[in-house]
Amino acid sequence: TQLLEQSPQFLSIQEGENLTVYCNSSSVFSSLQWYRQEPGEGPVLLVTVVTGGEVKKLKRLTFQFGDARKDSSLHITAAQPGDTGLYLCAGEQGGSEKLVFGKGTKLTVNP
Amino acid sequence: GAVVSQHPSWVICKSGTSVKIECRSLDFQATTMFWYRQFPKQSLMLMATSNEGSKATYEQGVEKDKFLINHASLTLSTLTVTSAHPEDSSFYICSARSEGWSPLHFGNGTRLTVT
Repeated sequence: TQLLEQSPQFLSIQEGENLTVYCNSSSVFSSLQWYRQEPGEGPVLLVTVVTGGEVKKLKRLTFQFGDARKDSSLHITAAQPGDTGLYLCAGEQGGSEKLVFGKGTKLTVNP
Repeated sequence: GAVVSQHPSWVICKSGTSVKIECRSLDFQATTMFWYRQFPKQSLMLMATSNEGSKATYEQGVEKDKFLINHASLTLSTLTVTSAHPEDSSFYICSARSEGWSPLHFGNGTRLTVT
């Protein structure tokens, strides 16, 4: 059973389009993180959200944590080829030091 | 920012041999380190959690005797894949945090190919 369901699994769009990636769970998380990973490299942290309903913006990326802290979304505005990569959501549950990862969304932005 | 160095970045070994992968925190003391395994086009699967000076905690289904983890100091953890087989070929990634709920920092991974 996957604790964090991430969708879509694959996404191929044209430069300039908008997109949203979802990360859902039936469990509550004390924090949720979004990472971006390039082939052959480790994940790089984009953002951490900790408060239900929290919205954080990182240039063209907008991250939202659900009110109940069970889900999150990543919205990219006017996608660029440089946004291409594997986007991973990961959650921490209270009392556990472990980070649980979603299956990832492979994003390809075509020029 | 905090840097985690993983070495080697790639390694090819023959079936039956052992391979050691190092994970170092360069500018902070890592009380906890994590080892992940990632298959092509898939997410990271946690293998084990290691705390400095104590035995690693392995996730269900991960063979302790095959994947030996040593966290001998606050800046170094090692993963040794013993008697490697082709099915052990994968991308192994470590991460480290300094304390409590501080952010995780990831290494750049090690691509292991067993022939």
